[in-house]
Amino acid sequence: DAGVIQSPRHEVTEMGQEVTLRCKPISGHNSLFWYRQTMMRGLELLIYFNNNVPIDDSGMPEDRFSAKMPNASFSTLKIQPSEPRDSAVYFCASSPGTGPYEQYFGPGTRLTVT
Amino acid sequence: RKEVEQDPGPFNVPEGATVAFNCTYSNSASQSFFWYRQDCRKEPKLLMSVYSSGNEDGRFTAQLNRASQYISLLIRDSKLSDSATYLCVVGTQAGTALIFGKGTTLSVSS
Repeated sequence: DAGVIQSPRHEVTEMGQEVTLRCKPISGHNSLFWYRQTMMRGLELLIYFNNNVPIDDSGMPEDRFSAKMPNASFSTLKIQPSEPRDSAVYFCASSPGTGPYEQYFGPGTRLTVT
Repeated sequence: RKEVEQDPGPFNVPEGATVAFNCTYSNSASQSFFWYRQDCRKEPKLLMSVYSSGNEDGRFTAQLNRASQYISLLIRDSKLSDSATYLCVVGTQAGTALIFGKGTTLSVSS
């Protein structure tokens, strides 16, 4: 059974460029989460969706970040324009319900902004 | 007070040792509890859920103390492959996200 799929796995871009990260959750899961992880700040929740609807985006750092979930099998996280301080590993996770259930993480996208 | 607090370590132990990690959480309404494991440059993976009565999975034992808002993970007979960061995770209510601690790093040496 396929787990959470993320693409790309690695992204190197220059400051000011637009970056789009993609996620396919586990089939049948109805909650999706975007996280960012750095050594300094640990794992930070950016936004999460229940049944494709954004529930809490209070973790999104600023207006340069946006996320969408057009259907149950796809979500994107966009950064425009990107900045060096956005360099981090971005994880997508999905969960089987709207309760406080366990989450299953994708392999992450390692983003480097130069 | 942070919502989920863990001793960051590192814990350096020899193979075969028993090691225990502790975690405290601030919200008394928390309903679900987990331990995740994260290897270097990998994603967090669910290690085990933590139940009120305590539970065991092989060499791993998890316990929950609701009165003290405290969770523990005990690893017996440590293996080199147990070297990783262990994340304490708490869920509060339906429809909300889980809260992750910053993790405790374990290094097992031969």
